[in-house]
Amino acid sequence: QQQVKQSPQSLIVQKGGISIINCAYENTAFDYFPWYQQFPGKGPALLIAIRPDVSEKKEGRFTISFNKSAKQFSLHIMDSQPGDSATYFCAASKAYNTDKLIFGTGTRLQVFP
Amino acid sequence: DTAVSQTPKYLVTQMGNDKSIKCEQNLGHDTMYWYKQDSKKFLKIMFSYNNKELIINETVPNRFSPKSPDKAHLNLHINSLELGDSAVYFCASSQFPGTGHTEAFFGQGTRLTVV
Repeated sequence: QQQVKQSPQSLIVQKGGISIINCAYENTAFDYFPWYQQFPGKGPALLIAIRPDVSEKKEGRFTISFNKSAKQFSLHIMDSQPGDSATYFCAASKAYNTDKLIFGTGTRLQVFP
Repeated sequence: DTAVSQTPKYLVTQMGNDKSIKCEQNLGHDTMYWYKQDSKKFLKIMFSYNNKELIINETVPNRFSPKSPDKAHLNLHINSLELGDSAVYFCASSQFPGTGHTEAFFGQGTRLTVV
């Protein structure tokens, strides 16, 4: 049972374009939604995270949009750059937990010049 | 300084062997984890330790045995390796969250190949 569903599986974007990755979750007990970025041969690294008490969070070119009623959240990368080419994972975890992260299936983003 | 370091980075071994992966974090975190990333890049938690105490064991075969000698180290020992164990294993750490959530820091991974 996949508790966090992520799409698309892969994404090709022109430099300067907007990259959008979507995730949906099932468990309403989840209350922390991070996005991780993983480059080849490296471990995942936290990019940006959101709690369900806000509908949007922006850090530089990266924005998370959160829709609690639809149980969906998405990552928007504005002005995408070749250096953003990586695999992106959404994740979710519950409160009063040990921060066990439930990951989505990942999106491989390629940004072409 | 590497925050979460794993050794070895690559491990190639024959079926049936026993192997260990070591992990150390210098962030002063209370909680450490092992995650497995399969060939399709799917990441799934295996174990979590808080202050040397096992708190999560996600129905992993008992051929996998984590050991935490102190809160800065979490090693993973695998007995009787099988072909299906081939994957990338990531160690991670975070501050024990209590009622909040904190960032999990991942190591660079250990690519295990069983032949």
